[in-house]
Amino acid sequence: DAGVTQSPTHLIKTRGQQVTLRCSPKSGHDTVSWYQQALGQGPQFIFQYYEEEERQRGNFPDRFSGHQFPNYSSELNVNALLLGDSALYLCASSHRRVPNYGYTFGSGTRLTVV
Amino acid sequence: DAKTTQPPSMDCAEGRAANLPCNHSTISGNEYVYWYRQIHSQGPQYIIHGLKNNETNEMASLIITEDRKSSTLILPHATLRDTAVYYCIVRVTGANSKLTFGKGITLSVRP
Repeated sequence: DAGVTQSPTHLIKTRGQQVTLRCSPKSGHDTVSWYQQALGQGPQFIFQYYEEEERQRGNFPDRFSGHQFPNYSSELNVNALLLGDSALYLCASSHRRVPNYGYTFGSGTRLTVV
Repeated sequence: DAKTTQPPSMDCAEGRAANLPCNHSTISGNEYVYWYRQIHSQGPQYIIHGLKNNETNEMASLIITEDRKSSTLILPHATLRDTAVYYCIVRVTGANSKLTFGKGITLSVRP
């Protein structure tokens, strides 16, 4: 049973560019959440998707957007990249009808903005 | 979500029990206590959660005080592979409520 799969694992972009990160949730999960983790900090919640709509959003600017597909996979898009966007981006999946169970996280995408 | 307070680091000897404390004095009645850990270069891993009763699974035990203002995660026989950052998180019940991470506690298990 595959867990959460994220791609790519590493990425280097130039300031001002746009980036798309991808996530496939664990089999049987229908909800995807995205987190940003700066070096030495805990992960920070970006947003959550289920039923192909954004349901919750953290304190992140509109440059951060997402999408969920009918197969429950998800993309995170970041426009106009800043040096401060360099971080580990984590995807977590869960099932909406089992709300109190733990999330399953992927290993993340390490984004470096130069 | 209620805030949690954890010491920045601790260590223990391999084979001994590791007791990781967490304070959550402002926890509400509908909030669970969750523990996750993050091994270097990996995503966080769910360990255990509880509401008010002590909980045990194959990874760890969770002891929550009667007033629910603090808890302790116990790894009964720590191994070198348990070296990681451990996050104590208080989370409201409800459909897929978000996780609010602090800086966690870095556990170093020494040989």
